[in-house]
Parts: sequence; C-alpha cells; structure tokens
Amino acid sequence: AQSVSQHNHHVILSEAASLELGCNYSYGGTVNLFWYVQYPGQHLQLLLKYFSGDPLVKGIKGFEAEFIKSKFSFNLRKPSVQWSDTAEYFCAVRGISGGYQKVTFGTGTKLQVIP
Amino acid sequence: KAGVTQTPRYLIKTRGQQVTLSCSPISGHRSVSWYQQTPGQGLQFLFEYFSETQRNKGNFPGRFSGRQFSNSRSEMNVSTLELGDSALYLCASSPGLAGGSEQFFGPGTRLTVL
Repeated sequence: AQSVSQHNHHVILSEAASLELGCNYSYGGTVNLFWYVQYPGQHLQLLLKYFSGDPLVKGIKGFEAEFIKSKFSFNLRKPSVQWSDTAEYFCAVRGISGGYQKVTFGTGTKLQVIP
Repeated sequence: KAGVTQTPRYLIKTRGQQVTLSCSPISGHRSVSWYQQTPGQGLQFLFEYFSETQRNKGNFPGRFSGRQFSNSRSEMNVSTLELGDSALYLCASSPGLAGGSEQFFGPGTRLTVL
C-alpha cells in the first residue's frame, strides 16, 4: 500500500527565509506526485505536479519541487517566502503501476510566515 | 467555469442518524473523489467515482457509501453516525481519473456529530 510522510508538521519562518518542506512516499512502482496548498479560508488548490520528465518541476507563486526517485522524495522549495505563503501544504501521491491506485495525501505541514 | 460545489456547507447531526452530502463537479469532469479531513490526520481518501463506477475505495467502514449519477454529480452517505465522524468532508473533481490530472476541490461540508 502506498503512503506519504510529511515530517514537518508546523514550520515558522520569517519573510525572505528559504523554505523546504519534506515529503517522502512509499510505493514500489511508478507514481504521480502532487503538492496542494490550502490558504486560510480557501479551497485546496494545486501548487505543482510531477508525472514524468524533468524531475525539477516549477509551480505557481515561485514554488518548485524535486523528485528524487532513489530517495522516494518530492520536497517542496521556495527561495524566499512571503507572508502570503502562510498556509497548509499537502503532498500527495498516486501509484499508477498496474492501474491507477487511490490518491494518498500526507498529513500536511502548516507554514506560518512572520512579517 | 463554475467550481466544485458542495451542499450543505454545514451540518449538525446526532449519533445514530444518517446523513447525505452532495457534490457537483466542474462541468465536463467525470471523476469525483471524496476525502475526510480532520486536524492531524490530513486528508483521508474515502472513494473515487468515474463515469458512475466506483474506481477506488479507502479504508472506511461500510457505513460510508457513495454514488455518482449520469451527470457526474455525486452523493456520499454516512449511516449510523458516530462522534468520530465529525470532520470536514471534501469533494474533488478532475477531468479524468484523479491521479492522472489535477484535482479541483470544493469548499467542503463541515459535519458535526453530537
């Protein structure tokens, strides 16, 4: 069964600091990977996704993530955070080997950016 | 294009009752997935429907059921409610199967079981 681990539950940063949120998954085959964000009072929305190709993917609002297959990781990064990045971030994975599996989400990381 | 809509937005029920939640996907989307969101647990997958067929099911008891209609609208039913069912229930739609494309989430239905 596939699973997703987000090791940081709550992160507090000052504006302009760099961000890296960890995401590790367990699944033996090919996967599609996602990062979603939930801003306060808003719906979950897609930040970025990886299906295949260049393992470094860029998303909205200056976010990027790198898929490292050997480490089963898909960490989210941003060089300089802003107060408006305060939100909860969810990593998600879907195994696609042998047919589409269910989408599994991590437990989320709450990011608080201090002005 | 209108987004994913969920009704009702808030529900208060008592233990033992049953509840039905509704989700209208984005026009043209054929996949609807349901998730339970609770603090500390993140999003727990309930089930996914595609073209009126349940494609995947999460690890929830049989009290949780769902269906999808020919117009892609979906309903989720929870029978014999328990206190632990209190949560935000999210619906997400996508053009194809959920993991093959972006999912678009609705605002959720906040269920409180007393």
